[in-house]
Amino acid sequence: GAGVSQSPSNKVTEKGKDVELRCDPISGHTALYWYRQRLGQGLEFLIYFQGNSAPDKSGLPSDRFSAERTGESVSTLTIQRTQQEDSAVYLCASSPPPLAGLTDTQYFGPGTRLTVL
Amino acid sequence: AQSVTQLDSHVSVSEGTPVLLRCNYSSSYSPSLFWYVQHPNKGLQLLLKYTSAATLVKGINGFEAEFKKSETSFHLTKPSAHMSDAAEYFCVVSMGGRRALTFGSGTRLQVQP
Repeated sequence: GAGVSQSPSNKVTEKGKDVELRCDPISGHTALYWYRQRLGQGLEFLIYFQGNSAPDKSGLPSDRFSAERTGESVSTLTIQRTQQEDSAVYLCASSPPPLAGLTDTQYFGPGTRLTVL
Repeated sequence: AQSVTQLDSHVSVSEGTPVLLRCNYSSSYSPSLFWYVQHPNKGLQLLLKYTSAATLVKGINGFEAEFKKSETSFHLTKPSAHMSDAAEYFCVVSMGGRRALTFGSGTRLQVQP
């Protein structure tokens, strides 16, 4: 079946502009995560959605970052007034409903490479 | 709190020789541990996962990892490297359930012909 998809694959923007990044999780996956990967580094957790519960926003680096999710489907990560340090690959992951042995396995999309000039 | 340390940022091996990528973790709970691989310009792919069922975990592409609680280690091994194994490898720890994953900083594996 289809995996996690993200769009755009690449985004170049000017400092100060707003950007929106989109994630389509695997159908039926109830949990959705956003991560950021700076060049040559591991992933940093940003935000986590689980069904209709309040999202875990503990990883968002500043109030310029926000994310929404429509039900158990598409999510949008918005970065306002972008800065050069926001340049990174933004990765989305989803995980399936709570079945034994699978609840903490996350499946990743290909990412969106954001470049802020 | 949980953390993971990948002891080598770069590892270079010759094709056909063994691979060892080292990982140590710290977790207040019984962790779930993962290895993910990231090929250039491709998404992260799950190699294998440890969830306390067995200490030796076999993954895809001939990789395996052994969980050693006494050493808090979860090293990744493969008996014989292939050129296609060249990639970035991430050791990952989870507190379990549907929590965010904590990633190591990655190990870049180079395979020489």
